[in-house]
Amino acid sequence: AQSVTQLDSQVPVFEEAPVELRCNYSSSVSVYLFWYVQYPNQGLQLLLKYLSGSTLVKGINGFEAEFNKSQTSFHLRKPSVHISDTAEYFCAVSRGGYQKVTFGIGTKLQVIP
Amino acid sequence: DTAVSQTPKYLVTQMGNDKSIKCEQNLGHDTMYWYKQDSKKFLKIMFSYNNKELIINETVPNRFSPKSPDKAHLNLHINSLELGDSAVYFCASSPSVGQGIQYQETQYFGPGTRLLVL
Repeated sequence: AQSVTQLDSQVPVFEEAPVELRCNYSSSVSVYLFWYVQYPNQGLQLLLKYLSGSTLVKGINGFEAEFNKSQTSFHLRKPSVHISDTAEYFCAVSRGGYQKVTFGIGTKLQVIP
Repeated sequence: DTAVSQTPKYLVTQMGNDKSIKCEQNLGHDTMYWYKQDSKKFLKIMFSYNNKELIINETVPNRFSPKSPDKAHLNLHINSLELGDSAVYFCASSPSVGQGIQYQETQYFGPGTRLLVL
C-alpha cells in the first residue's frame, strides 16, 4: 500500500517570500510523485510530476520540487510567492499504469500581502 | 474549450432521492475517474474506467453506480441519497502512454459538482 503525508495543513507566507510545502510518502515499490493545485471552487490542476530521471523537477508558475528517495520526500518550493498562489496544494503518489493515485490531505497556502 | 466538463455544477436534493452526475471529456483520453472530496478537502478515488471497462472500484456503497456509455463519458448515479453523501464530486481523465509521454500519468480534472443532501 502507498500513502502520502503532508505535514502542514496551513502555511501562511508573506508575498514575495519563499515557501516550501512538505510531502513525505511511503511505498514498498517505486512510485510516481505529483503536486496538484486547487484554486477556490475549481478542480485540481497538475503543477509538476516526477516519473524518472532528474530528481529536481520544474513545474508551472515557478514551482519546483525535489525527489529525495532516501528521505522519501517530495517537497514543493517557490522562491518568491505571489498573491495568486493562494490555493490548496495536494501531493500525490501512484505506482503508475492503471494503479490508483493516492492524494495527501492538502496544504492550504495563504499568501499575505 | 472545456476539456473535462461536469453537469450539474450544483445539486441540492432531499435525503432518499436518486440523482445522476454527468461527465464528458473531449481530450481523447482512455481513462476516466470519479473522486469524492469531503468538507475537509480530502480527495478519495471512487471508480476508474479504461475504455469503458471498470478497473478501479474502491470501497464505495452499492448506492453509487458508475456508467460509461463510451470512453468520452463517465456518469455517476447515486440511489437513496444520504446526508453523508454531501461533498464535491470530481471527474477526471488521463491519457494512456501511447497518447504522448509528456502527458503520461497526468490527470485532468473537471470543475466539480457540489452535492448537498438535506
